[in-house]
Amino acid sequence: EEQLVESGGGSVQPGGSLRLSCTASGFTFSSFEMNWVRQRPGKGLEWISYISSSDSTIYYADSVKGRFTISRDNAKNSLYLQMNSLRAEDTATYYCARGRSPYSSWGRGTLVTVSS
Amino acid sequence: SYELTQSLSVSVAPGQTARITCGGSNIAGKNVHWYQQRPGQAPVLVIYRDSSRPSGIPERFSGSNSGNTATLTISGAQAGDEADYYCQVWDTSTRVVFGAGTKLTVL
Repeated sequence: EEQLVESGGGSVQPGGSLRLSCTASGFTFSSFEMNWVRQRPGKGLEWISYISSSDSTIYYADSVKGRFTISRDNAKNSLYLQMNSLRAEDTATYYCARGRSPYSSWGRGTLVTVSS
Repeated sequence: SYELTQSLSVSVAPGQTARITCGGSNIAGKNVHWYQQRPGQAPVLVIYRDSSRPSGIPERFSGSNSGNTATLTISGAQAGDEADYYCQVWDTSTRVVFGAGTKLTVL
């Protein structure tokens, strides 16, 4: 069964850092482009970052550019999101999603809360 | 930047047809994808490339795309279809764009 499992969420103070992970199973992770999508409480979906299968191409939404870094380790079937200089508005559930567009598979998400 | 416009909410009686629209400039020139998100759950792809259905998605779900409007149609709506529905496109400048979402109520 294809599965994506996010981890690493939690509570952090403004200005702090957090690293999210997404572990894939049930499919050939190295063959797929991957993304991070977030959802603020009670709000809609917001794409924040994309990485190609070989990590040669990376995109970020303007809202996180310069603060967040996406990466992957195909040997470990894992996707990462390093989040620095966190702000209150970064509070959200973060999902990893498979594909370039559309997203055929999603994880259950991990909650990040930025608060003092 | 490219923007998608969705109605905030749509209501439908059980067994009737629900239509959820997604507006965008010349959206017919783009591939539109639709996701269903039930409360507390992750999104699920229900329509891709305007009108294709992933395996496991009921035939009740269909899509179309013309001019400046893409439409997700749910025929014979059921209580289990109550969810938020998001349209999404890939734009060369904005990259990935989601609509704000439409809440479907089946009552």
